[in-house]
Amino acid sequence: KNQVEQSPQSLIILEGKNCTLQCNYTVSPFSNLRWYKQDTGRGPVSLTIMTFSENTKSNGRYTATLDADTKQSSLHITASQLSDSASYICVVSERDSSYKLIFGSGTRLLVRP
Amino acid sequence: GAVVSQHPSWVICKSGTSVKIECRSLDFQATTMFWYRQFPKQSLMLMATSNEGSKATYEQGVEKDKFLINHASLTLSTLTVTSAHPEDSSFYICSARVSATSGRNEQFFGPGTRLTVL
Repeated sequence: KNQVEQSPQSLIILEGKNCTLQCNYTVSPFSNLRWYKQDTGRGPVSLTIMTFSENTKSNGRYTATLDADTKQSSLHITASQLSDSASYICVVSERDSSYKLIFGSGTRLLVRP
Repeated sequence: GAVVSQHPSWVICKSGTSVKIECRSLDFQATTMFWYRQFPKQSLMLMATSNEGSKATYEQGVEKDKFLINHASLTLSTLTVTSAHPEDSSFYICSARVSATSGRNEQFFGPGTRLTVL
């Protein structure tokens, strides 16, 4: 069964600190992996998208890594800001014609002053 | 670019009434649009896949007669929740996939519609 699992489920950090979120998946065949940020009451916004051949991709203070061999990804947030408080969702796309996305349950991040 | 809008952003209705939610791709053509539902503290759950000019494909457990989907153009899809009940209260999110002819396979999400059924 194709699944995407994220950890931790929730995380509280102090403003200015770094943090790393984890994502493990069993989706096959694999097309790409995306990290989204979802603010409360809003739709998901794409942070990064990586294909099989990409190991790392950055978007400002967000850096995503992908190990396609172990089927693991991480999202590292540097110098966190209060506005980083949100849910971060790992999403994997199957390599088929359906273009369906398989969602992780998300990590709820709270950045405190 | 790649902006997806939804209207309304929130709606409150009485039990038994029908509610229509619009999803528009503002600056690109979307051959495929997806409708998701999200309950509090849970991730998005795919309800149906909508292809322009054809019938929507519903996920298992989603009643097609209750959640009517119309995708009449490459920039507009609508979801109508018929005879809404309190258990239909949720956050409904659409996404649009860039046309396959562009060579891209990216989904862009709308801002969501909060439905509350009294």
